[in-house]
This record gives sequence, structure tokens and C-alpha cells, in this order.
Amino acid sequence: GAGVSQSPRYKVAKRGQDVALRCDPISGHVSLFWYQQALGQGPEFLTYFQNEAQLDKSGLPSDRFFAERPEGSVSTLKIQRTQQEDSAVYLCASSGGTNEKLFFGSGTQLSVL
Amino acid sequence: QKEVEQDPGPLSVPEGAIVSLNCTYSNSAFQYFMWYRQYSRKGPELLMYTYSSGNKEDGRFTAQVDKSSKYISLFIRDSQPSDSATYLCAMRTSGNTPLVFGKGTRLSVIA
Repeated sequence: GAGVSQSPRYKVAKRGQDVALRCDPISGHVSLFWYQQALGQGPEFLTYFQNEAQLDKSGLPSDRFFAERPEGSVSTLKIQRTQQEDSAVYLCASSGGTNEKLFFGSGTQLSVL
Repeated sequence: QKEVEQDPGPLSVPEGAIVSLNCTYSNSAFQYFMWYRQYSRKGPELLMYTYSSGNKEDGRFTAQVDKSSKYISLFIRDSQPSDSATYLCAMRTSGNTPLVFGKGTRLSVIA
């Protein structure tokens, strides 16, 4: 595709609900990152994939957060039992490889009520 | 203290002004330095990408990296209202290590 695509664009969840956020990286990009951006803050790293392998998940804030990329392309970030503090914009980014530039999607804005 | 410090502003300048944005950092292992522009409700867009110390120019934008001072800057010449956005500095150590971002500086260029 022309760019990184994320869906849904907006998601409203009731506290305790599970949500799934989707990322379609740029075609052929092997590296995929998820970031969380709170209002008025810079993006904070969550997790990193190289192809289908999750090489770094040190930024995931709790075990309620889970990410997968089973075929090395599309990735899903799942948040179980959402809490109000999970409200943020979730950004996905991809790159063609090591030391390559990182391109971001427009994000999914999650609001937990 | 955060690894990357950036004054959040807001910064308001008249059209045509030279804008100076900067970040300081504490991790001397950072080697790759980037500036992203983020419009409201959009993802960050890469503006400048620099490896190690030195200057890089692209049109109206100049990025400077001073590793000895752990200080990076972005200069915007002849600023335009369309430059109004949040500017994020970002850096990483090597390879595909995660980018570490500053908080972002919100810039408004007034016509």
C-alpha cells in the first residue's frame, strides 16, 4: 500500500471491554513497531516485530496488552479488560529494515469510558 | 529525568520568522536523530534524519546534532502558517532499537 494503514480510526470502549487494533504496514516492510501516545506527550514504545517474530515487548505496560503479527504483515494490538488509563492514540510504524526510516500510520484513538 | 527532554511550548511566531526547536538527551549511545512533524489527529511524519554529529539541510529545514553537548536542533527558515504543527525529536542507539521521543513542541505560525 501507499502508507501505513490503521483501523479503526476511533474506538470507544466501556471499561472492562476487550479491543483489537489493526495495522497494515507498507508492503514489504519487515519491521513493525507499536507506540502509545497520550495527550500532549510524545509516542512511547510498546513492542517491535521483525517479520513475524516479536523481538521486543518491553514497552507493553501490563499483561493485558498483547500484540501479534502471525504472517509477518498485518499486526493486531489487543488490549484486554480495558481501563481508563489505556485511553490514548495507538500508533503503528513500519520500516524496510535495519537503520531504515520509520513511517507512521495516523493511529487509532482509543477512549475508554 | 527523561532520556529526551523537549520544551513543549507552545511557540508562536509571525510568518517569515526563523524558528529554532531543540532537544537535549542523556544517553550518549544515541546515534540516529530524527525530527518528525505531527499535525492534529495525524501520525508523525518524518522531516529530517541524521546519523551522528553534523548538519543536514533540506529546503527550509536544517537539522543540527552536537553529540558532545547531547543537543539537537531543528531550524525552519521563512516559516509558513502550514508549518503550524507539533514537532517531535526522536533518537535511537542502533539498528532497529526503539525510537525514543521527546514530548513535542507545539508551533503556531501566524499569518
